[in-house]
Amino acid sequence: KNQVEQSPQSLIILEGKNCTLQCNYTVSPFSNLRWYKQDTGRGPVSLTIMTFSENTKSNGRYTATLDADTKQSSLHITASQLSDSASYICVVSASTGTASKLTFGTGTRLQVTL
Amino acid sequence: EAGVTQFPSHSVIEKGQTVTLRCDPISGHDNLYWYRRVMGKEIKFLLHFVKESKQDESGMPNNRFLAERTGGTYSTLKVQPAELEDSGVYFCASSPTGGAWQYFGPGTRLTVT
Repeated sequence: KNQVEQSPQSLIILEGKNCTLQCNYTVSPFSNLRWYKQDTGRGPVSLTIMTFSENTKSNGRYTATLDADTKQSSLHITASQLSDSASYICVVSASTGTASKLTFGTGTRLQVTL
Repeated sequence: EAGVTQFPSHSVIEKGQTVTLRCDPISGHDNLYWYRRVMGKEIKFLLHFVKESKQDESGMPNNRFLAERTGGTYSTLKVQPAELEDSGVYFCASSPTGGAWQYFGPGTRLTVT
């Protein structure tokens, strides 16, 4: 069964600090891994997408890493801002013939405070 | 460019009633996906349209759910009759042909009482 597990479940950090969110997956056959940011009351928005051959991808203050051997990914947020408060969802795509299916993690809820 | 829109944003109905959710994808996107998030759980795939055809509906929970995409533009998801366990947030996403990125709508929060 395809699964994506994220940790921690929630996190509170002070503005300006860095943090790292973790994602472990068991999805086969692996196609790519995505990190999404979901603000309250809104749909998920893509931050990064990485294929098997990529081990790091940056998008501004967000840097995602991928270790396909251990099936782990992390999302590092640098110099956090209040606007970073959101749920961060790790999503793994399994390419299954004609359709790719996304397996979602339950997300890490990040709160950035003053 | 307008993003994916969904209507309504919230819906509260009684068990046994019917509800129809609507999704308008980004113009020109052939791929349209429906997902659902039940409280406390992860978002789960429901089905995938390519234009007006159902490419994959393996995630549809049962025959009380009916999705359509007549004309290959907007899509509707009807739940009839609704049950308590259908409560959750229903997301729609779209992507262009060959595009890896899926663009999500804001979701419809459905509450069945």
